[in-house]
Amino acid sequence: EAGVAQSPRYKIIEKRQSVAFWCNPISGHATLYWYQQILGQGPKLLIQFQNNGVVDDSQLPKDRFSAERLKGVDSTLKIQPAKLEDSAVYLCASSLGQGSTEAFFGQGTRLTVV
Amino acid sequence: GENVEQHPSTLSVQEGDSAVIKCTYSDSASNYFPWYKQELGKGPQLIIDIRSNVGEKKDQRIAVTLNKTAKHFSLHITETQPEDSAVYFCASNFGNEKLTFGTGTRLTIIP
Repeated sequence: EAGVAQSPRYKIIEKRQSVAFWCNPISGHATLYWYQQILGQGPKLLIQFQNNGVVDDSQLPKDRFSAERLKGVDSTLKIQPAKLEDSAVYLCASSLGQGSTEAFFGQGTRLTVV
Repeated sequence: GENVEQHPSTLSVQEGDSAVIKCTYSDSASNYFPWYKQELGKGPQLIIDIRSNVGEKKDQRIAVTLNKTAKHFSLHITETQPEDSAVYFCASNFGNEKLTFGTGTRLTIIP
């Protein structure tokens, strides 16, 4: 079974630039999560989708971050404009949904803002 | 609010010895407690989980215990091996599908 796919693996941008990350969840998984992991910390939830609807985006800095999952499968996370403090690993995870909480993570995208 | 505390932040054990990592949670509605292992440059990997209707679960050298009354759960790794070196995270779902993670434990196995 293929795992959660993310791209790119690494990205370096200057502050105030924009960046986008892509995620393809495990086939059949209805729930998709984006987490932010700052160096030395645990992952922090940014947004949770159930199919193509947002379940929880309370921790998403909506003035600069946006995410979509238009067809209920792939998802993109965008940052515009980026700040230095956005430097982190952005992790995508998926689960079956419908009460199933087993979440499986991708390898993440390491973002460095300079 | 939703909070998971994890201790210790770093742990070094001799190869072959046991390692124990502990977590506490704040919400009595929590009913799912997974443990993740994260190796350098990789995403977190689910290694074991436990639900609130069970007190203990074991999978080969790894076990997790849950004390609902005290609101804490622990990861036990026996007969540690060099490949067990990684950062381990506990998490809790706080009654819904959203996971809140602990701050992580860097485990080092000394050959």
